[in-house]
Amino acid sequence: DSGVTQTPKHLITATGQRVTLRCSPRSGDLSVYWYQQSLDQGLQFLIQYYNGEERAKGNILERFSAQQFPDLHSELNLSSLELGDSALYFCASSSRGGDSPYGYTFGSGTRLTVV
Amino acid sequence: GNSVTQMEGPVTLSEEAFLTINCTYTATGYPSLFWYVQYPGEGLQLLLKATKADDKGSNKGFEATYRKETTSFHLEKGSVQVSDSAVYFCALSMIKAAGNKLTFGGGTRVLVKP
Repeated sequence: DSGVTQTPKHLITATGQRVTLRCSPRSGDLSVYWYQQSLDQGLQFLIQYYNGEERAKGNILERFSAQQFPDLHSELNLSSLELGDSALYFCASSSRGGDSPYGYTFGSGTRLTVV
Repeated sequence: GNSVTQMEGPVTLSEEAFLTINCTYTATGYPSLFWYVQYPGEGLQLLLKATKADDKGSNKGFEATYRKETTSFHLEKGSVQVSDSAVYFCALSMIKAAGNKLTFGGGTRVLVKP
């Protein structure tokens, strides 16, 4: 157990639908990062939150949004889903810049399948 | 922008063989460098890291040395086991006070045969 919890582990949904992925960071970590892993795109950074505020944005589509709540858990919302959104979505957390002994800690991911 | 390039796989080896996975990076400034490993069906685990030039990260028999002059962070293991079969990702981060994202290479799949 890495200490980063992602739910659900698997999600199957239809095109056009909306889903919410949840991430609870490791205890004490203030930063949460979302990544998308697909076969043809590798690991793509989506977005980072630090202590409730958006800190950096990567290749995140406008159909996607995220937030970090006061208890530091984060949710990634994916809407108007397309077949191409099928991927593994990872959450990672870090205390500061990853310069702790633990670096960035990843959750086990949510596998999203859009049919 | 920052980027990481690593050798494409798959890399197929016999048990007890020597493993090298090349990784080079492009970054403005002085990044921290990481190797992550992803076992089948699992998330990414930190394998080792190095935060400044000439640092050597090591863990579980794996080693990588931060080479600023060649902008490289090659991963090596002297004698691989079947259990080392996984996908290996090289990554960098520009450490800032409030954290920063990891930029990953494309990953290298390693298959170790008995």
